[in-house]
Amino acid sequence: GAVVSQHPSRVICKSGTSVKIECRSLDFQATTMFWYRQFPKQSLMLMATSNEGSKATYEQGVEKDKFLINHASLTLSTLTVTSAHPEDSSFYICSARVWTSGPYEQYFGPGTRLTVT
Amino acid sequence: QKEVEQDPGPLSVPEGAIVSLNCTYSNSAFQYFMWYRQYSRKGPELLMYTYSSGNKEDGRFTAQVDKSSKYISLFIRDSQPSDSATYLCAPREAAGNKLTFGGGTRVLVKP
Repeated sequence: GAVVSQHPSRVICKSGTSVKIECRSLDFQATTMFWYRQFPKQSLMLMATSNEGSKATYEQGVEKDKFLINHASLTLSTLTVTSAHPEDSSFYICSARVWTSGPYEQYFGPGTRLTVT
Repeated sequence: QKEVEQDPGPLSVPEGAIVSLNCTYSNSAFQYFMWYRQYSRKGPELLMYTYSSGNKEDGRFTAQVDKSSKYISLFIRDSQPSDSATYLCAPREAAGNKLTFGGGTRVLVKP
């Protein structure tokens, strides 16, 4: 249980174009999803918290107009990188919050590697 | 000073050895302490978590938390080459959603 998928796994786009990344919870409903980015050999940095049916909450320093997040259903959240530039090249990972017998836990997707040329 | 610190490694051990990993943190409000394993170019996988101070064992893995010294440990017994990965500690506060990740420690288990 608690499987999270992401699509696509890899994407290459040209500078100035937009890219959409999907995050799905496959076997559970996720009221809260999270988006992270990870640069090579660095840890995960939280970009935003996405709650179903409401606007995302962005971390300090993350441009909300550049990284558009939509969480329209309990199983799907999307991240759109608008007007992508080479410095946006990174590994983007989503996670979903799941209530277990203990605290809420986060289960992560496999990640999407974005390369902007 | 980062909120959560981990030695980046790499930590290289022979197969069958005990792997000892640790984190230090500064936020005394952290109550839940997660450990994730991340293989190269993959998303993190939750290994286990502990609540407040104490020990927790799950198979070959043991997690320890000492809140008085703000020190978190993960031990892997009988290490296998498949344990070669980056291990991330990620504590969080009781009421919040947000995980604060350490930088991760890269572990190499040599056959």
